[in-house]
Amino acid sequence: EVQLVESGGDLVQPGGSLRLSCAASGFTFSSYWMHWVRQAPGKGLVWVSRINRDWSSITYADSVRGRFTISRDNAKNTLYLQMNSLRAEDTALYYCVRGLDTPMALDYWGQGILVTVSS
Amino acid sequence: QSVLTQPPSVSEAPRQRVTISCSGSSSNIGNNAVSWYQQLPGKAPKLLIYYDDLLPSGVSNRFSGSKSGTSASLAISGLQSEDEADYYCAAWDDSLNGVVFGGGTKLTVL
Repeated sequence: EVQLVESGGDLVQPGGSLRLSCAASGFTFSSYWMHWVRQAPGKGLVWVSRINRDWSSITYADSVRGRFTISRDNAKNTLYLQMNSLRAEDTALYYCVRGLDTPMALDYWGQGILVTVSS
Repeated sequence: QSVLTQPPSVSEAPRQRVTISCSGSSSNIGNNAVSWYQQLPGKAPKLLIYYDDLLPSGVSNRFSGSKSGTSASLAISGLQSEDEADYYCAAWDDSLNGVVFGGGTKLTVL
């Protein structure tokens, strides 16, 4: 059974930093693209970033480029999202998501972890 | 403002059929596969349709997808109360170099 379990969410002040982790199990982690998708309270889904199997392809949404860094440790079956210079508008539930490449689809989602940016 | 455009809400009676539209452009739906997601209240999204019209294993065949040009649709037949959820379309966007979602459609089963 595919499982994605996020951790690291917290209340942080504007300008602060946070690192999210996602522990994957039930599949060969190193064979899949991985994504982060977020959802602000009461709002829709917004894609944040994706990384391919060997880090050779990484892309970000314009809203987080230069502030967030996605990475992965295939030996530990773990996906990360380093978030710096956090803003109030980054407040959201962050989902770790497994991705298909071609065609693009997001086939398994974690339960999400809450990040709140507030003073 | 979402890149893909969906109606905010739709409603229909039980056992009826409803469709949800998703409108995009040549840089996303017109050139890439569309996927659909169901988000039940308080739950994580779930993949419903991929590659425009394919159903993942375990998804009911009451759900179907289609695409024409720069628009896509999700159809749900034999509506049941448990289908009440938010539904999102998504596609890769070649211009933005990222995944784009629709704003979501809330389905109410009357």
